[in-house]
Amino acid sequence: DTGVSQDPRHKITKRGQNVTFRCDPISEHNRLYWYRQTLGQGPEFLTYFQNEAQLEKSRLLSDRFSAERPKGSFSTLEIQRTEQGDSAMYLCASSPRRPDQLNEQYFGPGTRLTVT
Amino acid sequence: AQSVTQLGSHVSVSEGALVLLRCNYSSSVPPYLFWYVQYPNQGLQLLLKYTSAATLVKGINGFEAEFKKSETSFHLTKPSAHMRDAAEYFCAVSETGTASKLTFGTGTRLQVTL
Repeated sequence: DTGVSQDPRHKITKRGQNVTFRCDPISEHNRLYWYRQTLGQGPEFLTYFQNEAQLEKSRLLSDRFSAERPKGSFSTLEIQRTEQGDSAMYLCASSPRRPDQLNEQYFGPGTRLTVT
Repeated sequence: AQSVTQLGSHVSVSEGALVLLRCNYSSSVPPYLFWYVQYPNQGLQLLLKYTSAATLVKGINGFEAEFKKSETSFHLTKPSAHMRDAAEYFCAVSETGTASKLTFGTGTRLQVTL
């Protein structure tokens, strides 16, 4: 059972460019979450999918951010017109179907974004 | 709205000493509570979780936590610290009953000295 994987692990981009991150959850986990973590802070929730449906979005997710999970497997997070304030670690997590494990979230290694 | 407060952004203990990391929560509904550990440049690893089955929860790596409703606390302890325990520890809360987002505290960095 492989863990959650994220690609790329590091991304450096110039302000104004678009970036896209990918997350592959643990197989058969039907829930997928995106969080953002800045230096010295805990992760902050961005959005959540159950299968392919995006069920909740944080107010942190401005209109420059979009997330998809087209076939209920991997997910992508796109940031358009990046700003320096977008520099952060973007974490993906997945959660299993079992009722006794519903709220257990398993995290990937993250994608560190640096906007210059 | 739910929230957690972690008292002490940095905690330093000697190897072999007791580890105590504090977490207080606020929730309008019965919560699920979690402790995660994060090693440098890595994602978060689940240490343990409280889901109302038992107030004393045992986790991996010798850690445990006790849910105290009267104190709205969920402190993390380990009887004897090891050098490998040096990491960032996060307390988190979520709503019960359904799959739900986690709300994290700001973290406590644990330093273990010889």
